[in-house]
Amino acid sequence: GEKVEQHQSTLSVREGDSAVINCTYTDTASSYFPWYKQEAGKSLHFVIDIRSNVDRKQSQRLTVLLDKKAKRFSLHITATQPEDSAIYFCAASPSGGSNYKLTFGKGTLLTVTP
Amino acid sequence: ETAVFQTPNYHVTQVGNEVSFNCKQTLGHDTMYWYKQDSKKLLKIMFSYNNKQLIVNETVPRRFSPQSSDKAHLNLRIKSVEPEDSAVYLCASSPFSQNTLYFGAGTRLSVL
Repeated sequence: GEKVEQHQSTLSVREGDSAVINCTYTDTASSYFPWYKQEAGKSLHFVIDIRSNVDRKQSQRLTVLLDKKAKRFSLHITATQPEDSAIYFCAASPSGGSNYKLTFGKGTLLTVTP
Repeated sequence: ETAVFQTPNYHVTQVGNEVSFNCKQTLGHDTMYWYKQDSKKLLKIMFSYNNKQLIVNETVPRRFSPQSSDKAHLNLRIKSVEPEDSAVYLCASSPFSQNTLYFGAGTRLSVL
């Protein structure tokens, strides 16, 4: 089955700097890659996603890049703010996008220090 | 604003007891899910359910069972809890043909 690796368990940046969180996946059939955010003591909520028909997607300060050859995707956050501090989970699912087959990474704790 | 509601927030019980967790979504979504998040924050799908189909992760022990009265409710019953069941159980929903998951706040289970 699919395996999604998040190579950074923690990441610390200064407010205003950029943060990059990297993920890799193993299944070439994966075509949908969402990111979720979990703030301390709260549940997960969706932040951004990308599908395999594009290699870049931007939403305000967030950009997701997808490299299908390397089976790698990343979340870029520019002009970080303390409220960006959270655990970020990447995930992947195969063609058809069934949520049942969504595999999550282990999460990266991003800390933005003022 | 939260539209997936889970109760209780916390539950402490002893090995062998039966527990039930409730989940209700007011988003009109067609599909609901239960996820288990362990102490290391690892998320694993347990069940996916809509009006027509229940999909069970084959790694989920048989003592776990989902219960649904309608598409807005998906409860989780654990027949005889084990220590390894201690975790946060997250309920989620998604609309038909869309992938975005909407999560509830979770139920934290501690098994003594």
